[in-house]
Amino acid sequence: SQKIEQNSEALNIQEGKTATLTCNYTNYSPAYLQWYRQDPGRGPVFLLLIRENEKEKRKERLKVTFDTTLKQSLFHITASQPADSATYLCALDGDSGYALNFGKGTSLLVTP
Amino acid sequence: GAGVSQSPRYKVAKRGQDVALRCDPISGHVSLFWYQQALGQGPEFLTYFQNEAQLDKSGLPSDRFFAERPEGSVSTLKIQRTQQEDSAVYLCASSNTGQGGEKLFFGSGTQLSVL
Repeated sequence: SQKIEQNSEALNIQEGKTATLTCNYTNYSPAYLQWYRQDPGRGPVFLLLIRENEKEKRKERLKVTFDTTLKQSLFHITASQPADSATYLCALDGDSGYALNFGKGTSLLVTP
Repeated sequence: GAGVSQSPRYKVAKRGQDVALRCDPISGHVSLFWYQQALGQGPEFLTYFQNEAQLDKSGLPSDRFFAERPEGSVSTLKIQRTQQEDSAVYLCASSNTGQGGEKLFFGSGTQLSVL
């Protein structure tokens, strides 16, 4: 069955640096991949979507790459700020085509 | 509405009690999803509706879990005879047309604690 793996350890970085989060998947060839941000006590909020035929997508300080050969997506936040501290979830379309399947998430802490 | 609304925000139940969790999706959204999120984990898919039709319920953990969306808008997730392992945050999400690749809009969830 489909398996999604994200950095299990929390990522601590200094303000102004680039944060890079990893999402690896197995046993599937998704048509698209999404990244969400989740703050404590809140539901996930959509950030970016990248399709299988796209290698890279950008939105303001965010950049996502999608390597279907490596079965990996990288999520970058440049010039990180303390307000970027949150859990970041990657999600792939499921086998049924309806549901999104989520990874466990990576906790990011940006310190001043 | 302005966003996806879930109620109650918190629910404490004694083991064996039945609970009902409500979701008000964004007005006009065709697709509605329920997810279960345990502490420190990502959301796990439970079930999916397109309008009033439940097209996928493969994620429901047992026959104690039941979901409905009778008029294609508000949805209710019911858990019968709650067990301690049902303790989790239950998230509802909606999307516009139900086409693959659409972003999901999530509510803040209902945190269920079964004692």
